[in-house]
Amino acid sequence: DIVMTQSPDSLAVSLGERATIDCKSSQSVLYSSNNKNYLAWYQQKPGQPPRLLIYWASTRESGVPDRFSGSGSGTDFTLTISSLQAEDVAVYFCQQYYDTPQTFGQGTKLEIK
Amino acid sequence: QLQLQESGPGLVKPSETLSLTCTVSGGSISSSGYYWGWIRQPPGKGLEWIGTIYYSGATYYNPSLKTRVTISVDTSQNQFSLKLSSVTAADTAVYYCARHLSGSYERASDYWGQGILVTVSS
Repeated sequence: DIVMTQSPDSLAVSLGERATIDCKSSQSVLYSSNNKNYLAWYQQKPGQPPRLLIYWASTRESGVPDRFSGSGSGTDFTLTISSLQAEDVAVYFCQQYYDTPQTFGQGTKLEIK
Repeated sequence: QLQLQESGPGLVKPSETLSLTCTVSGGSISSSGYYWGWIRQPPGKGLEWIGTIYYSGATYYNPSLKTRVTISVDTSQNQFSLKLSSVTAADTAVYYCARHLSGSYERASDYWGQGILVTVSS
C-alpha cells in the first residue's frame, strides 16, 4: 500500500495568516501517461463527512474558496490556505487514488491561534 | 443536487454480517462514468477505503478487506449496498458512501453521505 504521511499532525494559525499542510507519499502518484498527480485534499469538520477541496493535486473543486490551493508533484504535496478564516477550523486529509487501495493521510488538525 | 444517504443497523454482534445500503437521490446511479464507493472512519481516527462499484456491477475492493466484503448495486432502486462479514470490534466505525469523480474508481470522491455509525458489540 502507498503510505501517506501528513505534517504536522496539528497546526495553530492566526486569523488572516497563511496555513500550510504537507503530505508525502511513499511512492510517486504521478501517472506519466497523462501527467496527472492522483492526489486529493479533503476538509472534515466535527460530525460531518469529508468535503473534497482539491483533486489532481491542484484543481479546486467547484464552490471551494480560492484561498485554498494545492501544489506539488510526485511524492511531495502541499495544501495552502492563504488567509485563514474561522470557518477553516477542521481536520484536513490528503488521499492518493493512484493505486489500489486508495489511502489517506492520518489527518492534520487546524486550529486558530 | 445529488444526495447520498446511508441506512442500516447501528449495532451488529461480533462474528455477524454488517449490512448497509446507500440510497442515491437527485441523480441516477446508472449515470455513465460514475463509480460509487464505501469508506469508513473509526471514531477519532483516519479514513479507510473499503471498495467501489460501477452500475454494471464491476467491483473493486481493498485487499485487506476483500475476503469479507461484498458490494452490490440495485439500479432499479438507485441504491448500492455493503456487506462485511465476520465483524469484530475493529470494524466499529462511521461508514460513508460516496461518489467518485467521473471516469474511473481511481478518482477522488466529490459527494458523500452523512455517514452512519456502526458499533460491533454483543
